[in-house]
Amino acid sequence: QVQPVESGGGVVQPGRSLRLSCAASGFTFSNYGMHWVRQAPGKGLEWVAVISYGGNTQYYVDSVKGRFTISRDNSKNTLYLQMDSLRTEDTAVYYCAKEFTQYAGDWFFDYWGLGIPVTVSS
Amino acid sequence: EIVMTQSPATLSVSPGERATLSCWASQSISSSLAWYQQKPGQAPRLLIYGASTRVTGIPDRFSGSGSGTDFSLTISSLQSEDIAVYFCQQYRERPSFGPGTKVDIK
Repeated sequence: QVQPVESGGGVVQPGRSLRLSCAASGFTFSNYGMHWVRQAPGKGLEWVAVISYGGNTQYYVDSVKGRFTISRDNSKNTLYLQMDSLRTEDTAVYYCAKEFTQYAGDWFFDYWGLGIPVTVSS
Repeated sequence: EIVMTQSPATLSVSPGERATLSCWASQSISSSLAWYQQKPGQAPRLLIYGASTRVTGIPDRFSGSGSGTDFSLTISSLQSEDIAVYFCQQYRERPSFGPGTKVDIK
């Protein structure tokens, strides 16, 4: 069963940091690009960041550039999102998501984690 | 940035009737479009990619069409389990999602 599992969320004050993890299983993790997508309360989906299957390439949505860092450890089948200088507008459920096609870099997603809530509030 | 728009925001359909959801891109995305279904408290589920290719295991009552800037998702005969929010997503450039269409039972 392909089911990434996120962890590390919670409530944090503005300006503080949080690190999300996503443990993957059921597929060859090192063959797929991985993404973070978030959903603010009552809102739609927003793509946040991507990391290539080998970990060499990362891209971010403009609103998190310079504050968030996506990384991966293929030996541990785990994806990370380091979130620094958090803002209230970063409050959302964060999903890790797997690209559909291995190696291909087609940025649509066939498996998503259950999501982890992050609340930024004073 | 490619902006995705969906219409209507809410669609009420009787069981067994056809539901047609629309999605537009602010610029041409060729066929780089995916559709997702999201039920309350659940992660999105991929239904369609390449604008019209159904994912293995998705019922054939779901179909997608379109290219360029105009796309649609059709549910040919609405079932109770299809009640959800449906999002379109372009992947021609860095991904962006539409705001969603909520489908409920009339």
